[in-house]
Amino acid sequence: AQTVTQSQPEMSVQEAETVTLSCTYDTSESDYYLFWYKQPPSRQMILVIRQEAYKQQNATENRFSVNFQKAAKSFSLKISDSQLGDAAMYFCASQETSGSRLTFGEGTQLTVNP
Amino acid sequence: GAVVSQHPSRVICKSGTSVKIECRSLDFQATTMFWYRQFPKQSLMLMATSNEGSKATYEQGVEKDKFLINHASLTLSTLTVTSAHPEDSSFYICSARDRWGAKPYEQYFGPGTRLTVT
Repeated sequence: AQTVTQSQPEMSVQEAETVTLSCTYDTSESDYYLFWYKQPPSRQMILVIRQEAYKQQNATENRFSVNFQKAAKSFSLKISDSQLGDAAMYFCASQETSGSRLTFGEGTQLTVNP
Repeated sequence: GAVVSQHPSRVICKSGTSVKIECRSLDFQATTMFWYRQFPKQSLMLMATSNEGSKATYEQGVEKDKFLINHASLTLSTLTVTSAHPEDSSFYICSARDRWGAKPYEQYFGPGTRLTVT
């Protein structure tokens, strides 16, 4: 069974600064995907970034990047140049095989201060 | 592309009645749909997984007779909460994936339905 742990229930960052959200996971599979989702107050789940476990290169999407440490089973999200619109709940998730169930972490509530 | 809709967005029902929530994939074929439940300030909890034309697979602890899931077509899945009680009040989210699409690993989420049972 997969487990995903987010140890930071809440984080805050000043606008334009950088923040890193932590995530650790556990899986016995060698082939899996890792995701970061954003859930703003509207509660619509939005995919922020995806990492395939077989790729060594860290994924990046504009201001969002990950630090994927496969051996340590760590998958942190870095948000650069934070904007007010980045304020949301962020969920880390894992998926062992293509299209199978997602396992979510507990979430980190990010506040962006102007 | 890859839009998932849910209807209704909010529903209030009386205790003991049943309520149906629809989840539709608007521009792709949803070979698999997932139903989640989310309590305030908590994570998403998977309730069940359904493949088109097959019976849903429920997670441990989820009452299949209470939460009826139907996935009769490639674009529509429904969740019916039968004999609803106040403890069923929650936010219900569906997601869908296209097993044969360009991104078979990706789930596309609906906007959610807030159910309040009085």
